[in-house]
Amino acid sequence: AQTVTQSQPEMSVQEAETVTLSCTYDTSENNYYLFWYKQPPSRQMILVIRQEAYKQQNATENRFSVNFQKAAKSFSLKISDSQLGDTAMYFCAFTAYNDMRFGAGTRLTVKP
Amino acid sequence: EAGVAQSPRYKIIEKRQSVAFWCNPISGHATLYWYQQILGQGPKLLIQFQNNGVVDDSQLPKDRFSAERLKGVDSTLKIQPAKLEDSAVYLCASSLWTVNTEAFFGQGTRLTVV
Repeated sequence: AQTVTQSQPEMSVQEAETVTLSCTYDTSENNYYLFWYKQPPSRQMILVIRQEAYKQQNATENRFSVNFQKAAKSFSLKISDSQLGDTAMYFCAFTAYNDMRFGAGTRLTVKP
Repeated sequence: EAGVAQSPRYKIIEKRQSVAFWCNPISGHATLYWYQQILGQGPKLLIQFQNNGVVDDSQLPKDRFSAERLKGVDSTLKIQPAKLEDSAVYLCASSLWTVNTEAFFGQGTRLTVV
């Protein structure tokens, strides 16, 4: 069974600084997809970034980038130039076929 | 384009009562998901539909939970009878087709069972 682990329940960062959120997963599949979702207090989950396992190049989306280490089954999210609007819960998610599994989340607070 | 619509936003019921949630996915999205998110945890998949067929309901407590997706569009999730441990946010999401496409989420229904 696939599992997703986020070992940092809470993190904080000063505005304009960089923060990295960790995620590890366990799977026997070779082809799969990884996601980072953001959930602000409004509760609506928003996709931040997606990574295909067959791609060696790390995905980037503006201030967001990932460090994907397939052999280590690690998928961390780096947020550069943190903004107050980045304050939210961040969930790492994994899917191989149909079942998208989520980690427990990391609560990120950006301090002014 | 309109997003995933869910109603109600909030619901408070007593244990052993029944409750139903409604979801309208994004137009044209074949896949629809219902997730349960207990406070402090990540979302847990309850059921996944592909059009109006069930793809995965392995984590749905079938003795009390049921879901349907009529005509492959709207979906309802029902709990009967509710237990205290069912208190959670129920999220509906939809995606265009395949597993690697983005899932769009609604704002969820916060259920409190007292």
